[in-house]
Amino acid sequence: AQSVTQLGSHVSVSEGALVLLRCNYSSSVPPYLFWYVQYPNQGLQLLLKYTSAATLVKGINGFEAEFKKSETSFHLTKPSAHMSDAAEYFCAVSPTGGGNKLTFGTGTQLKVEL
Amino acid sequence: DTAVSQTPKYLVTQMGNDKSIKCEQNLGHDTMYWYKQDSKKFLKIMFSYNNKELIINETVPNRFSPKSPDKAHLNLHINSLELGDSAVYFCASSQGMETETQYFGPGTRLLVL
Repeated sequence: AQSVTQLGSHVSVSEGALVLLRCNYSSSVPPYLFWYVQYPNQGLQLLLKYTSAATLVKGINGFEAEFKKSETSFHLTKPSAHMSDAAEYFCAVSPTGGGNKLTFGTGTQLKVEL
Repeated sequence: DTAVSQTPKYLVTQMGNDKSIKCEQNLGHDTMYWYKQDSKKFLKIMFSYNNKELIINETVPNRFSPKSPDKAHLNLHINSLELGDSAVYFCASSQGMETETQYFGPGTRLLVL
């Protein structure tokens, strides 16, 4: 069974600072990997996804993530945090050939301070 | 122009009641999903339908019954509601079943008293 682990349920950064949200996956074969963002009282929105093409994936709102097979990681980064980035971020995994069945991590709440 | 819509947005009901949540998507997608998000924000897939056919059915109590009258709609009916059913239920849709992006609705907040 595949799974993802998000280290740090809460991350706090200053506005303008680097954002780094960690995600490690567990899978016998490289899966598909996703980052979703959830703003308060809203549904989830896709930030970016890795589908076995380029290992460095660029997403919306200046976010990017790098797939590292040797580290089984898919960490999300943004060079400069903005107040509007404050939200819950979910890493998710889907098995190749698995019918787009997403398994989500437990989420990381990002707080951006002035 | 809401892509994935759910009704109702809030649902407060008593234990033992039966309730339904409706989901509609206007994206022309052929695959729809139901997810449950608990109080700790943990998200878990419940069901998935492709072209009105059930393809994913996780270990969900059979009190939960999804129904897909057509490709654009996926409803969730819950019988004999229990306290533990209190959660936010999200509908989602995608075009295809592999790596395609899933688009989520705004959620239905269910509170069982």
